[in-house]
Amino acid sequence: DAGITQSPRYKITETGRQVTLMCHQTWSHSYMFWYRQDLGHGLRLIYYSAAADITDKGEVPDGYVVSRSKTENFPLTLESATRSQTSVYFCASSDGGGKSRGYTFGSGTRLTVV
Amino acid sequence: AQSVTQLDSQVPVFEEAPVELRCNYSSSVSVYLFWYVQYPNQGLQLLLKYLSGSTLVKGINGFEAEFNKSQTSFHLRKPSVHISDTAEYFCAVSGTGGGNKLTFGTGTQLKVEL
Repeated sequence: DAGITQSPRYKITETGRQVTLMCHQTWSHSYMFWYRQDLGHGLRLIYYSAAADITDKGEVPDGYVVSRSKTENFPLTLESATRSQTSVYFCASSDGGGKSRGYTFGSGTRLTVV
Repeated sequence: AQSVTQLDSQVPVFEEAPVELRCNYSSSVSVYLFWYVQYPNQGLQLLLKYLSGSTLVKGINGFEAEFNKSQTSFHLRKPSVHISDTAEYFCAVSGTGGGNKLTFGTGTQLKVEL
């Protein structure tokens, strides 16, 4: 079934480790986004991508790295995890055009850094 | 840049009562506006959106919202809520230009009680 999938759903990692969160969409949407959700902050944009090989920083990019070599994949890497990066991470996609707008969200990855 | 304010972090309401969730935005450019719903342990799902045209927008599950440009508001309403409406609701805004980035509010937890 077409959609946007995130993996893993849950992850526990230690401080200082590198961890990669995966995001895959099957619609060939041009835009993809990574948000983190924290109590009291709502959703904050980490990075986004307008197309393959085009990425840009969002509101809270520090400590994160993204790549987009293929349209359908948009992995998010925490280079050296810190406890402040404990959060729920959501990937989203959008075709970005005309009247559609809006995003389709994945189910999220709950990351705990210990 | 745009910003969104959801003043009510929690809204308790009895089943079959009407509800209004408030959303105010700030922007120096024309905007598109959205409401999303998040059920426990799930991603966000689009409820409705205002892109242009009629200021009263109807969405899924009996929700509607009204765009008020003079008051920079986009309040969400439902005339009669159900237990199943218990969820977190996010208002979001984007500029009408390119980029397609959404800025989210901090969310309102709607709790429907018997």
